[in-house]
Amino acid sequence: GAGVSQSPSNKVTEKGKDVELRCDPISGHTALYWYRQRLGQGLEFLIYFQGNSAPDKSGLPSDRFSAERTGESVSTLTIQRTQQEDSAVYLCASSLVVGGSGETQYFGPGTRLLVL
Amino acid sequence: AQKVTQAQTEISVVEKEDVTLDCVYETRDTTYYLFWYKQPPSGELVFLIRRNSFDEQNEISGRYSWNFQKSTSSFNFTITASQVVDSAVYFCALSEATFKDGNNRKLIWGLGTSLAVNP
Repeated sequence: GAGVSQSPSNKVTEKGKDVELRCDPISGHTALYWYRQRLGQGLEFLIYFQGNSAPDKSGLPSDRFSAERTGESVSTLTIQRTQQEDSAVYLCASSLVVGGSGETQYFGPGTRLLVL
Repeated sequence: AQKVTQAQTEISVVEKEDVTLDCVYETRDTTYYLFWYKQPPSGELVFLIRRNSFDEQNEISGRYSWNFQKSTSSFNFTITASQVVDSAVYFCALSEATFKDGNNRKLIWGLGTSLAVNP
């Protein structure tokens, strides 16, 4: 079946603008995760959704970052008043919940964000 | 706190050589999962393996093999007879396996090892 998809694949924006990144998880996957990968650094966890609720938002770097998920499907990550340090690849992953190999996270291709 | 260390930043080998990528982890949890992912130049993360903490059996999949040792908190990855297509960044990652926090399985990542396989 279809994998995780993300849009846009690339986004260039000016400092101070808001951006919205979208993730479509694998159908039936109730768990959804956002990560950030900055150049030359490892991946950082941002937020975890179980269904439409977010039990863990501990990785969001500031109150400029927010995310929501609707219909236990699509999720959007919004960055307000973007800063140059927000430039990174934003990765989305989804998984089934509870038990066995179903908990493996499968990743989308990412959105490459460049803030000028 | 949980931590994953991949001490090798870059490795360069010649095709057909064997290569081992090291991964050392820290966790206070008694149950956890360990993962390896591959990130080729295209950028997309590809799942390779998931290992439960209670299963120390080593695993082989074609030219890939994994050596999990709880005594040394290591989960090393070996590629036998490497090929140019193996060139990628390889990440080791750790997650909890408890049922708290809505079954949160957020991954804690190492910094990755960049493997270059030269013809």
